[in-house]
Amino acid sequence: QSVLTQPPSVSGAPGQRVTISCTGSSSNIGAGYDVHWYLQLPGAAPKLLIYSNTNRPSGVPDRFSGSKSGTSASLAITGLRADDEADYYCQSYDGSLSGVVFGGGTKLTVL
Amino acid sequence: EVQLVQSGAEVKKPGESLKISCKTSGYSFTSYWIGWVRQMPGKGLEWMGVIYPGDSDTRYSPSFQGQVTISADKSINTAYLQWSSLKASDTAIYFCARSDRYIYGSGNDYWGQGTLVTVSS
Repeated sequence: QSVLTQPPSVSGAPGQRVTISCTGSSSNIGAGYDVHWYLQLPGAAPKLLIYSNTNRPSGVPDRFSGSKSGTSASLAITGLRADDEADYYCQSYDGSLSGVVFGGGTKLTVL
Repeated sequence: EVQLVQSGAEVKKPGESLKISCKTSGYSFTSYWIGWVRQMPGKGLEWMGVIYPGDSDTRYSPSFQGQVTISADKSINTAYLQWSSLKASDTAIYFCARSDRYIYGSGNDYWGQGTLVTVSS
């Protein structure tokens, strides 16, 4: 059971918009700790997609955006492409556990 | 160019010890944290712990405290993850990753390629 809760899977057709939620609590996201998002392709290392809630690293397309409100955060992907198919993870810090925590991951399927 | 290059795959027996490495280059090793992340077969990412090579400040996830040891050698810009007595349940891919801060940082911006550790009798 992950401290941060993500839907196990989401799907969408090419060109559509999908969102992936990351629900935490008052000891992590709700406490003001930043949320980061990662993409992991099969057999590869994770890649930073969004940092500090809303920021994109250099080279990440603006089709990817992040938001945070209260005890939750969301990753939105617009203009869905076949190569967006991957596992997506949120990450934050938990003050009660005194450590970094990941969401359980969400598998994105492009129909 | 920032690079984190991890040591190769390992096959070990239960009870054996192991130390895997993460050799870094392209940045100031002592100015960034290096964390370790476990991914068991077919499962998600789990944060294990982190070290700041500048002063060897080390923090562990409660789930991994006492189970592994994280260390770093500033002279060769390399971080390590070690076990004194492996279990079959330690079978996983282990990633190292860099971050600028432990808390309120900018995420893990560079990752190693992963080291597959297989523990089987």
